[in-house]
Amino acid sequence: TQLLEQSPQFLSIQEGENLTVYCNSSSVFSSLQWYRQEPGEGPVLLVTVVTGGEVKKLKRLTFQFGDARKDSSLHITAAQPGDTGLYLCAGEAGTYKYIFGTGTRLKVLA
Amino acid sequence: GAGVSQTPSNKVTEKGKYVELRCDPISGHTALYWYRQSLGQGPEFLIYFQGTGAADDSGLPNDRFFAVRPEGSVSTLKIQRTERGDSAVYLCASRQTSGTTDTQYFGPGTRLTVL
Repeated sequence: TQLLEQSPQFLSIQEGENLTVYCNSSSVFSSLQWYRQEPGEGPVLLVTVVTGGEVKKLKRLTFQFGDARKDSSLHITAAQPGDTGLYLCAGEAGTYKYIFGTGTRLKVLA
Repeated sequence: GAGVSQTPSNKVTEKGKYVELRCDPISGHTALYWYRQSLGQGPEFLIYFQGTGAADDSGLPNDRFFAVRPEGSVSTLKIQRTERGDSAVYLCASRQTSGTTDTQYFGPGTRLTVL
């Protein structure tokens, strides 16, 4: 069974702080996605990384795919209250089949 | 709107009853997914359709769960003899493929409560 473990599970920080969320597995994924989900809504795709070692930036968010394509990280610079939400990684575990991580719940305090 | 819609938004039922959950994908999306999400957890894959056929149903927990997509658009997830452990948010997503990027668009989910 392919599992994606995210850490930390919960994170509460002050506005302006930096943070990193980790997504780890013992399995190799052909691609990995990061989503953000707000209460009462479905997850919304933030980014897809496909190449080992790849780094993508989306404004204050930096995503990295591990060299071995087993892990990924999400770094947020100068967090804002609008970044609050559940962050999910998802690995492509087969042809177009996605396995989601356990989730990191982020709260940014003003 | 042009997004994925799911009905009902909330469903409360009694243990042992039968329920149907509906998903209307984005027009033209050939791939459709069902996931189940428990409180505070990530979505759990249930089934994936490509067109009318189930390309991968390995996530369905047991034979009480069944999903159909007869015309390659709307899909219905059917749960027989519901159990309290079936309580969760059921999410539907449809997917487009553009170059090397696969984007799943999720609906808001149906919150199922089994009493």
